[in-house]
Amino acid sequence: DAGVIQSPRHEVTEMGQEVTLRCKPISGHNSLFWYRQTMMRGLELLIYFNNNVPIDDSGMPEDRFSAKMPNASFSTLKIQPSEPRDSAVYFCASSFIEGGNEQFFGPGTRLTVL
Amino acid sequence: DAKTTQPPSMDCAEGRAANLPCNHSTISGNEYVYWYRQIHSQGPQYIIHGLKNNETNEMASLIITEDRKSSTLILPHATLRDTAVYYCIVRVATGTYKYIFGTGTRLKVLA
Repeated sequence: DAGVIQSPRHEVTEMGQEVTLRCKPISGHNSLFWYRQTMMRGLELLIYFNNNVPIDDSGMPEDRFSAKMPNASFSTLKIQPSEPRDSAVYFCASSFIEGGNEQFFGPGTRLTVL
Repeated sequence: DAKTTQPPSMDCAEGRAANLPCNHSTISGNEYVYWYRQIHSQGPQYIIHGLKNNETNEMASLIITEDRKSSTLILPHATLRDTAVYYCIVRVATGTYKYIFGTGTRLKVLA
């Protein structure tokens, strides 16, 4: 199994640009999570989906952030417009609801907004 | 806010057991204790979880006190590759699937 796949691994962009982060969960998993990690705030849950449906987006910082899961094998996290304070590592994780609920994390996308 | 309290850092000699404590005094009856670790800047890695009985797998053992207000993760023979930040999390196993990560314990295994 390839595990959770995230792309790109690194993204450098300028303030005001749109950024799209992508995630492919582990095949067969039916929950998907987006996290953000910074030195100041640690690891924060942004949003999660069960069976492709957004369940809790209370962690999404503001309207500039949006996430979609059009099917069971793909999700995106979009930031528009991006700001320097969005610089962070963004992790995607997936799990199987009916299992032990342990989450499997991807390698992360390191985003730098100049 | 995280419902757990962990020491910010610990050292352990290579080959010795690493015992990482976690306090979760407000844990509810249906909440499990999960442990994850994050090596350098990689994504967190699941280690083990339990409800009230002690658990063991190929990576570690989890000891939960009888009142369930605290637990200890034991790495029986720590290696340099076990150097990481270890997170203790409590959550229900069904319904809400959210994890709230605290600041964790930074374990440094010394040669």
